[in-house]
Amino acid sequence: DVKVTQSSRYLVKRTGEKVFLECVQDMDHENMFWYRQDPGLGLRLIYFSYDVKMKEKGDIPEGYSVSREKKERFSLILESASTNQTSMYLCASCVLNTGELFFGEGSRLTVL
Amino acid sequence: RKEVEQDPGPFNVPEGATVAFNCTYSNSASQSFFWYRQDCRKEPKLLMSVYSSGNEDGRFTAQLNRASQYISLLIRDSKLSDSATYLCVFLSSNTGKLIFGQGTTLQVKP
Repeated sequence: DVKVTQSSRYLVKRTGEKVFLECVQDMDHENMFWYRQDPGLGLRLIYFSYDVKMKEKGDIPEGYSVSREKKERFSLILESASTNQTSMYLCASCVLNTGELFFGEGSRLTVL
Repeated sequence: RKEVEQDPGPFNVPEGATVAFNCTYSNSASQSFFWYRQDCRKEPKLLMSVYSSGNEDGRFTAQLNRASQYISLLIRDSKLSDSATYLCVFLSSNTGKLIFGQGTTLQVKP
């Protein structure tokens, strides 16, 4: 089975702190994605990557950056966390953009 | 207009009932369509793809109406375990990205 693992299920941070969210997949997938999910807004794409050291902005990249140094690992970085970044963050991966994404369990971030 | 719209519900139905959800999309160039299921506090998982001719998987039937730009999911003989949020998803041929609806919540009651 495909396994997508997110490093933290729950985090509480203060405004201005730097936050790292780590995601690792074990199926050699080329494509990896970071979404945030908020009530009434659904899943929104933050950043994605089709290859190592490659990144593309999604629909809401402001306030975020990413890093893909290895194929299996895709990190989301909040340089200076703000309260409006309180959300559920979901990492996903797939082989080709066929529609079947494999999601991690999510990281619920609260910024105080 | 939003790219994809779903009635958030919740839909409350008794066990054994038949329930249907629709999802409308605005991008006529959309190529591929899917239904995902998300359990409470869990990640979304692919439920089924939606084919042009319609497709069935056990109690679940998915249909696509390109002329009216909507997809539907029909669940027959609802089970308690069907309680979840159902997300419609389409693959935009313009951007190559997956676009997610906000989801429709189903609660099946005993």
